[in-house]
Amino acid sequence: QKEVEQNSGPLSVPEGAIASLNCTYSDRGSQSFFWYRQYSGKSPELIMFIYSNGDKEDGRFTAQLNKASQYVSLLIRDSQPSDSATYLCAILKGFSGGYNKLIFGAGTRLAVHP
Amino acid sequence: DAGVIQSPRHEVTEMGQEVTLRCKPISGHNSLFWYRQTMMRGLELLIYFNNNVPIDDSGMPEDRFSAKMPNASFSTLKIQPSEPRDSAVYFCASTRELGGTSGVSYEQYFGPGTRLTVT
Repeated sequence: QKEVEQNSGPLSVPEGAIASLNCTYSDRGSQSFFWYRQYSGKSPELIMFIYSNGDKEDGRFTAQLNKASQYVSLLIRDSQPSDSATYLCAILKGFSGGYNKLIFGAGTRLAVHP
Repeated sequence: DAGVIQSPRHEVTEMGQEVTLRCKPISGHNSLFWYRQTMMRGLELLIYFNNNVPIDDSGMPEDRFSAKMPNASFSTLKIQPSEPRDSAVYFCASTRELGGTSGVSYEQYFGPGTRLTVT
């Protein structure tokens, strides 16, 4: 089982709709969760992070975290064609020595069509 | 701040040649990561430095790969000799990590990447 799982997509939504991107993780001890957006040919860009159960809103983006069910989601309201990209979910994993690193999912490709 | 700087942005080389990728992290960040991304394998962590010291190099594919961070503002990833299967986009990422009462604050920013093609 992969530590971070995402549906590869593509997820196709019409312009103006809500896009819902989901991510599950296996480490129940994970505390911090991140969403990165990656346009084709570009580098991943941090768009949201969430540490606590519940929702976190930033503009058209809402991150939702449910630690009991071990999933984190990203909602994009009023989707625009410019939101078309691959969205990477990442968890912060601690390891010996008190160090941390991000574990990334494979990403979900979102396509917003006019 | 200029963000994470990587050079070169594109590199085309022949099999067997040495390749050196360079990275300048964001000033004040205490960790630096090298990743490789391909369509087949996605984003893979190669090596991680904390305060210029290599912490985890378990992702380095084989001895042909080596990385150094001689100071807080510069890191290199070297492939010698290069092979066609090394063709990928190589990202450097700079991280600021702050502990706090509510947990770890963690911000990781990627450079623009180096697209490596080995023929």
